[in-house]
Amino acid sequence: AQSVAQPEDQVNVAEGNPLTVKCTYSVSGNPYLFWYVQYPNRGLQFLLKYITGDNLVKGSYGFEAEFNKSQTSFHLKKPSALVSDSALYFCAVRDSRNNFNKFYFGSGTKLNVKP
Amino acid sequence: NAGVTQTPKFRILKIGQSMTLQCTQDMNHNYMYWYRQDPGMGLKLIYYSVGAGITDKGEVPNGYNVSRSTTEDFPLRLELAAPSQTSVYFCASSYSRGVARVTGELFFGEGSRLTVL
Repeated sequence: AQSVAQPEDQVNVAEGNPLTVKCTYSVSGNPYLFWYVQYPNRGLQFLLKYITGDNLVKGSYGFEAEFNKSQTSFHLKKPSALVSDSALYFCAVRDSRNNFNKFYFGSGTKLNVKP
Repeated sequence: NAGVTQTPKFRILKIGQSMTLQCTQDMNHNYMYWYRQDPGMGLKLIYYSVGAGITDKGEVPNGYNVSRSTTEDFPLRLELAAPSQTSVYFCASSYSRGVARVTGELFFGEGSRLTVL
């Protein structure tokens, strides 16, 4: 079965410090991986995706993520956090082999960046 | 470039009433989805469609119906509203091609906040 785990409900970081939001996944085929951000009372916005190729993917607003096949992880990172990065972050996966039509979402991680 | 448009943004229903949440996209995406997001929770898939005339159930389809008569529109129908359907509903679309496994990301609407009293 396909699944996504975001082990941290909340991540707290000081402005200017690096941040990491964790994501692990389980699929039977090749994973197509995505990160989304949700600001209060808004829809989800796409940040970045991994389909194939370079394991380090760069996306919007200075975010990047590293695909690690052996650890089945796709952690979201940013070298220097901003207060404006405070939001809810979702990891999602699509399975190339089974249920390709569906995106599977994690439960979300709330990022708090303090000044 | 409107993207994915949902209406209404807010609605209060009484128990037993019915309504339709509208969703339209102008990106010529073949895939469309309806999700619900309960407070402090993640997204649960209600229904999805891989093209006009084709729909399928997600994780939580009970109490809902959908149709996909055109590529652009994917309305969600709530029959006999119940308090358990109080939630924020998101419509999303993406473009994918199965043969080449071209898989685009999801584009989301701004959400429809529904309260059933």
